[in-house]
Amino acid sequence: DGGITQSPKYLFRKEGQNVTLSCEQNLNHDAMYWYRQDPGQGLRLIYYSQIVNDFQKGDIAEGYSVSREKKESFPLTVTSAQKNPTAFYLCASSIGVFVNEQFFGPGTRLTVL
Amino acid sequence: GENVGLHLPTLSVQEGDNSIINCAYSNSASDYFIWYKQESGKGPQFIIDIRSNMDKRQGQRVTVLLNKTVKHLSLQIAATQPGDSAVYFCAEIASGGSYIPTFGRGTSLIVHP
Repeated sequence: DGGITQSPKYLFRKEGQNVTLSCEQNLNHDAMYWYRQDPGQGLRLIYYSQIVNDFQKGDIAEGYSVSREKKESFPLTVTSAQKNPTAFYLCASSIGVFVNEQFFGPGTRLTVL
Repeated sequence: GENVGLHLPTLSVQEGDNSIINCAYSNSASDYFIWYKQESGKGPQFIIDIRSNMDKRQGQRVTVLLNKTVKHLSLQIAATQPGDSAVYFCAEIASGGSYIPTFGRGTSLIVHP
């Protein structure tokens, strides 16, 4: 089955620790995205990548970092610099940035203790 | 402001009724629109899309209407079922811009049996 997967589903971390969220897709999509979702709010773009080895900041990139070393993988690191990291994180992919029906993963809920 | 309220707009309907979910978009240059459905704890799923050269598009039990004059989009769900209970988001894309979707806050649809 083709799809987009995120792991883990739930993640807990202590304040001051970095944590990496996994996102993998086997849809052969060029573009991948990371969004943050908070209660009662829409999706806010953190980072996106149009092709391998290239990525762009979104609206709320501060305190986050990404890499795109492989087409199928786009991991997101939530650093200790992110002041309010507790949220639901969604990864998405699309054929390309210019063909942008996005397919979403199931999400990772990060809780900082 | 961004943090006004933690509660989404909510629409409550009885099973079998028709539902209409509204979305006001902000960018007059947006020319592609997508509706997503997000069930609790899951990632959004594509429902239907529409381009700005159309004012109506129909799918299975769903219809999207676009009024470019007032920058308004609506999603109509016929014969609403309990399984339709979810948060519904609209997304707008300006193909002459960044091509990155801008998501609305969403509307929570509650279907009572």
